Amino acid sequence: GNSVTQMEGPVTLSEEAFLTINCTYTATGYPSLFWYVQYPGEGLQLLLKATKADDKGSNKGFEATYRKETTSFHLEKGSVQVSDSAVYFCALSEVKDSNYQLIWGAGTKLIIKP
Amino acid sequence: EAQVTQNPRYLITVTGKKLTVTCSQNMNHEYMSWYRQDPGLGLRQIYYSMNVEVTDKGDVPEGYKVSRKEKRNFPLILESPSPNQTSLYFCASSTGGREQFFGPGTRLTVL
Repeated sequence: GNSVTQMEGPVTLSEEAFLTINCTYTATGYPSLFWYVQYPGEGLQLLLKATKADDKGSNKGFEATYRKETTSFHLEKGSVQVSDSAVYFCALSEVKDSNYQLIWGAGTKLIIKP
Repeated sequence: EAQVTQNPRYLITVTGKKLTVTCSQNMNHEYMSWYRQDPGLGLRQIYYSMNVEVTDKGDVPEGYKVSRKEKRNFPLILESPSPNQTSLYFCASSTGGREQFFGPGTRLTVL
């Protein structure tokens, strides 16, 4: 079945550092890809998405490009802030029998130190 | 404000005592879903509903029930909770497209 693999955390960076969180997927067909963020004590928020190959999703300085040839959707940010500390989840959408199920990676905890 | 609400946010209970976690959305979404989040496992789908009176099992439905009598509400019912159901639970809703909106989560502890 479809699956998502994320790099294990925690990832610890200093403020203003460059961020990459790796995400690769296996899928039959052409899923949409998502990054969700979970701030401490809060629910999940959609950070960005891409619906087809070569699409780039972007939001709040974060970017990710849907790479079909490498089955990847890596999350990047040029200069992180302490407020970016959170858990980041990569996910893909799978439509099976009208069920718009999201298949999730395990999550990567990001810690930004001032 | 468009939102998904869940209640309670935190619950500690004992084995076998029936409980219900409520979920409500104000976006007129047809699709609703319940997930549980466990460390190292990401989120796993418990049940989903395509519309009123239409529900089906996700990947981990054992020990759970749901109902969808109204479009806005999708309660999760644990008839006889057990310690392995200790988890963080999320409700989500969608128009049927691929972006889902999540509630704030319910942290359940079963002793």
